[in-house]
Amino acid sequence: GAVVSQHPSRVICKSGTSVKIECRSLDFQATTMFWYRQFPKQSLMLMATSNEGSKATYEQGVEKDKFLINHASLTLSTLTVTSAHPEDSSFYICSAQKAGQTYNSPLHFGNGTRLTVT
Amino acid sequence: DAKTTQPPSMDCAEGRAANLPCNHSTISGNEYVYWYRQIHSQGPQYIIHGLKNNETNEMASLIITEDRKSSTLILPHATLRDTAVYYCIVRVARANRDDKIIFGKGTRLHILP
Repeated sequence: GAVVSQHPSRVICKSGTSVKIECRSLDFQATTMFWYRQFPKQSLMLMATSNEGSKATYEQGVEKDKFLINHASLTLSTLTVTSAHPEDSSFYICSAQKAGQTYNSPLHFGNGTRLTVT
Repeated sequence: DAKTTQPPSMDCAEGRAANLPCNHSTISGNEYVYWYRQIHSQGPQYIIHGLKNNETNEMASLIITEDRKSSTLILPHATLRDTAVYYCIVRVARANRDDKIIFGKGTRLHILP
């Protein structure tokens, strides 16, 4: 159990276009989802925290107008990279927290989306 | 910032126990220690977590020192498939839902045939 699915797994887009990445919790409800970005040979960097039914909380230095996050249901959060540029090329990973559980239970991670902007 | 420090890399012979250390000297009393690993180009995989007692599951054992300032993840019989980056994380406890996980740089574990 506790499967998190991300789609697409890989995407290539042209500079200036927007890309939407979906994160779904398949067998549990997630009140909170987290979005991370990872550059080659680096660790995961937290971008934002997404709470169902409310606005996302962005980490310092992450542009909220560029990385639009929507968490409209208890099983789906989306990250839209708007007006993508080559420097946005990265590995984007989401994770989900089971509803009703907090820091004494694990987060479940998706398998990531590799975005390449040409 | 991450609240943990780990060696950047380690080697371990296949079939032997891999012991991965982690320092978390500023850990608070209600913060859990989590271990995840990331195999190349995949999302992190949960391994184990604990508060102050040693823990064991089908994947690994977690040994936490009595003062909770450090811990060791033990993979009892390492295989080539255990080659990955291992992250030791202290989960920041908050009163609301935003108790997030901050990743440090992790330890790149190489299992040698």
